[in-house]
Amino acid sequence: DAKTTQPPSMDCAEGRAANLPCNHSTISGNEYVYWYRQIHSQGPQYIIHGLKNNETNEMASLIITEDRKSSTLILPHATLRDTAVYYCIVAAYSGAGSYQLTFGKGTKLSVIP
Amino acid sequence: ETGVTQSPTHLIKTRGQQVTLRCSSQSGHNTVSWYQQALGQGPQFIFQYYREEENGRGNFPPRFSGLQFPNYSSELNVNALELDDSALYLCASSLAWVQGSRETQYFGPGTRLLVL
Repeated sequence: DAKTTQPPSMDCAEGRAANLPCNHSTISGNEYVYWYRQIHSQGPQYIIHGLKNNETNEMASLIITEDRKSSTLILPHATLRDTAVYYCIVAAYSGAGSYQLTFGKGTKLSVIP
Repeated sequence: ETGVTQSPTHLIKTRGQQVTLRCSSQSGHNTVSWYQQALGQGPQFIFQYYREEENGRGNFPPRFSGLQFPNYSSELNVNALELDDSALYLCASSLAWVQGSRETQYFGPGTRLLVL
């Protein structure tokens, strides 16, 4: 079962920041938070991941609370092309080079013109 | 573009048949994972291969099997197809994840399988 809880849907005005919340209250100390997105019928696209520090890359920022029980993905200037399902995933190393991504149902983000 | 390719893009089979799906990993990646995504659901982990051996498995029956080749490409085989096997099958490649690393799985476009 997914270890994360996300709102099923959100709207965001084009050009504004999109803030997508995720709750992972049972996260363990060695588990990472990953964000992927999936545009209709395409393969999931990696966005960003982190352990406990905030992270930023060319696509987004990831803010993880100090207790690591929740995080927020921020798309600073949403465009219509950012309309997608966003998945927040908790993943752990399980030995011998193995880890798996356990997807939930994600948040359907609709960017409105 | 992730550099991960999958073939075929679409496939139609009938119940009871067998199917083989193929995945070519991103250059330099030695680990491949397979996922099944039913309509309206998130992807579900099937199994992972590392150095040509199964290295983790999700809650899927043995009729789902795989192979990884020395060039790190991979196959997913499904025997005795059932109607519920209709789904988008995704493969993802990565480097092996060692403790403290930050390896990422990169997904291919998927193969859409329809079982009639």
